[in-house]
Amino acid sequence: DTAVSQTPKYLVTQMGNDKSIKCEQNLGHDTMYWYKQDSKKFLKIMFSYNNKELIINETVPNRFSPKSPDKAHLNLHINSLELGDSAVYFCASSQGHNNSPLHFGNGTRLTVT
Amino acid sequence: GESVGLHLPTLSVQEGDNSIINCAYSNSASDYFIWYKQESGKGPQFIIDIRSNMDKRQGQRVTVLLNKTVKHLSLQIAATQPGDSAVYFCAEGGGSNYKLTFGKGTLLTVNP
Repeated sequence: DTAVSQTPKYLVTQMGNDKSIKCEQNLGHDTMYWYKQDSKKFLKIMFSYNNKELIINETVPNRFSPKSPDKAHLNLHINSLELGDSAVYFCASSQGHNNSPLHFGNGTRLTVT
Repeated sequence: GESVGLHLPTLSVQEGDNSIINCAYSNSASDYFIWYKQESGKGPQFIIDIRSNMDKRQGQRVTVLLNKTVKHLSLQIAATQPGDSAVYFCAEGGGSNYKLTFGKGTLLTVNP
């Protein structure tokens, strides 16, 4: 069983479109995250939710809106996609939000044309 | 190949040799450190972690060393195998607003 699963794995879309990426974890964790990995492999946190509450919101355009319907799910909706949004987006989860390892999904490769 | 244009620090070793991957962290207030391994097409995979009250921790074939004086972290892999080929990331965290900040990554290539 996949612990942190994201869908879709690949997403190709045109500029200006709106798209969503879904994430689910079956580890019973209470904290979930979205990270963005650019073409140089640099990983940067975008958002974090603890018990469905937003606790980290880095400097991310407000075209990106996370939603956590319950502790096991954290979805990412992106409006008006831009070329610079092309990246790999990783969902992760952890137990607690202080000094515990993150468990990552296998990523969603978003390509905006 | 995937490494073209990445400009990641790279380490190339022979199978069976020991590998040492180094990382300098930035925040002297960080009190939690982790090493991750990322294979092509996959998400980062947890290897080992260490808290700031320790300076060494060992796992299976891996050892993490922490030098808080110079803000340096290293990952030692014993008897490196081809399956160890991947990008390795260090990450630092801690404090009440916990978030993991990742380092640049090092590409390890193991030659058979």
